Amino acid sequence: DSGVTQTPKHLITATGQRVTLRCSPRSGDLSVYWYQQSLDQGLQFLIQYYNGEERAKGNILERFSAQQFPDLHSELNLSSLELGDSALYFCASRGAGGAGTEAFFGQGTRLTVV
Amino acid sequence: GQNIDQPTEMTATEGAIVQINCTYQTSGFNGLFWYQQHAGEAPTFLSYNVLDGLEEKGRFSSFLSRSKGYSYLLLKELQMKDSASYLCARGAAGNKLTFGGGTRVLVKP
Repeated sequence: DSGVTQTPKHLITATGQRVTLRCSPRSGDLSVYWYQQSLDQGLQFLIQYYNGEERAKGNILERFSAQQFPDLHSELNLSSLELGDSALYFCASRGAGGAGTEAFFGQGTRLTVV
Repeated sequence: GQNIDQPTEMTATEGAIVQINCTYQTSGFNGLFWYQQHAGEAPTFLSYNVLDGLEEKGRFSSFLSRSKGYSYLLLKELQMKDSASYLCARGAAGNKLTFGGGTRVLVKP
């Protein structure tokens, strides 16, 4: 158990809908990262937060948004869903121990858009 | 992602050695991570290199050359359970962490 919790584990929804994925980082970790992984693909970086503030943005679509709350949990909102948004969405958290601090990943949310 | 390149797939025999190469953009570089990911599961940390040279951890070793923007992960005495994807990830200032596309390693008996 990495200590990073993602809910829900599975989500099936229709095109055009909106969903919210939730991530609770490891206790004390201030950094949260979101990644998208389509079938047999690598991890595509979406967005990073540090202590409530957006730190870096990757290839995140305008239909997607995220935030990190004062209790450090984070939510990724996906709207106007398309079939191509079907993927595993991973959240990772990282402590403030310096550049060599490893990131711990949650088990992911598997999103299926039908 | 940010010019991190690694081979897509490699096949090796049980008991053999496999070397997975990774090249990355050197500007703003702040360390190189390797992760292992079994299909459908979360990536798990294997190693971190920030200085040039080889770091050995049991059957797995990782090498870094900062000037060349190059790293490799060496898997020795391959076991069937080592069949997985191996992800190279580049750290950068601001706690940024970007992954390559991953190398799928298939271990055959």
